[in-house]
Amino acid sequence: EAGVAQSPRYKIIEKRQSVAFWCNPISGHATLYWYQQILGQGPKLLIQFQNNGVVDDSQLPKDRFSAERLKGVDSTLKIQPAKLEDSAVYLCASSLGYLAGDPLQETQYFGPGTRLLVL
Amino acid sequence: AQTVTQSQPEMSVQEAETVTLSCTYDTSENNYYLFWYKQPPSRQMILVIRQEAYKQQNATENRFSVNFQKAAKSFSLKISDSQLGDTAMYFCAFVGGGSNYKLTFGKGTLLTVNP
Repeated sequence: EAGVAQSPRYKIIEKRQSVAFWCNPISGHATLYWYQQILGQGPKLLIQFQNNGVVDDSQLPKDRFSAERLKGVDSTLKIQPAKLEDSAVYLCASSLGYLAGDPLQETQYFGPGTRLLVL
Repeated sequence: AQTVTQSQPEMSVQEAETVTLSCTYDTSENNYYLFWYKQPPSRQMILVIRQEAYKQQNATENRFSVNFQKAAKSFSLKISDSQLGDTAMYFCAFVGGGSNYKLTFGKGTLLTVNP
């Protein structure tokens, strides 16, 4: 079974530029998550999709970050314009989704992440 | 709001020995799950073990086991017979219904297994 795919793996940009990350979840997984992991910290959820609808985006800086999940499969996360403090690893994860049963039992499967450096 | 605290930023252990990683959490919920995730250097995060709050029996997965103390809100991970491949960041995480089923992670413990 193929895992969660992410691209690019690394990205270096200058502040005020824009950048986009792509995620392809495990086939059949309805729920998709984007996390930001700053060096020395645990991942922080930015946005959660259930199919192509947003479940939680309370921690997404909406003035500069946007995300979409067209057709309920692939997802893109965009930052425009980037700031120095956006330097982090951006992780995508997926899970079967609530329809599979108790959401508390959901196992999230993570991709390799995209390491972003903003200069 | 739920919080997860890992008080050991770094730990090291000799190969074949046993090590215990600590985690405490704070919640007012009764029904929740706790997880330990492993993130090897430059590799993706994988689930190591999980514990359901309503189960008193501690979860085990081969060399990995937990010591779940619900009253104390403590959830430690024990790794027996440590192997070089266990070198990684280990994150403790919590999910409960009141948090919209959102995973809350601790800051992680960097474990180094020495030969």
